[in-house]
Amino acid sequence: AQSVSQHNHHVILSEAASLELGCNYSYGGTVNLFWYVQYPGQHLQLLLKYFSGDPLVKGIKGFEAEFIKSKFSFNLRKPSVQWSDTAEYFCAVTAYNQGGKLIFGQGTELSVKP
Amino acid sequence: NAGVTQTPKFQVLKTGQSMTLQCAQDMNHEYMSWYRQDPGMGLRLIHYSVGAGITDQGEVPNGYNVSRSTTEDFPLRLLSAAPSQTSVYFCASGEGSNQPQHFGDGTRLSIL
Repeated sequence: AQSVSQHNHHVILSEAASLELGCNYSYGGTVNLFWYVQYPGQHLQLLLKYFSGDPLVKGIKGFEAEFIKSKFSFNLRKPSVQWSDTAEYFCAVTAYNQGGKLIFGQGTELSVKP
Repeated sequence: NAGVTQTPKFQVLKTGQSMTLQCAQDMNHEYMSWYRQDPGMGLRLIHYSVGAGITDQGEVPNGYNVSRSTTEDFPLRLLSAAPSQTSVYFCASGEGSNQPQHFGDGTRLSIL
């Protein structure tokens, strides 16, 4: 089945550590890719998005993601995490040949120790 | 600016009861969708709509109905509630599915 997979369910890091969260999708054709974040008790909000062009996209709060088409991946990175980055992170994909649905991955819970 | 408004925020139902979760947006967005969020499973798409009068099924549509008679409203109906439908439900809207989505506060639903 076509899907969006996030490899890590729960990641625990110390402050200043580097972060990389994996995301793979199985849709063919043209895709739009997103990372959303849900801070405890809050709405989901958009971190960054990729539509086309430079495969390295920068988002808010120092996050970036790299689209690697050959690997069907869109991994999220941050060079140095802060305690305030503790949240759940969701990768999401729309595929043009899937009727425009926005499909989310399972989510990765990030806990940053002060 | 209300954004996306969901009601109710909490609800407890008995198995077999029906109810409607309300969702309204005031941003004139064409795309609206319903998700359920369960631990370890992320957000799963139930139904979505690309405009008034147009709806389609998502990943987990069974047991749920939707309609989109106006641009603003996108109610989700549980026809006969089952314990497996215990979840947190989120409504979202955007100018399109490929645009940033605005999420409501969620409805926490428990089916006994």
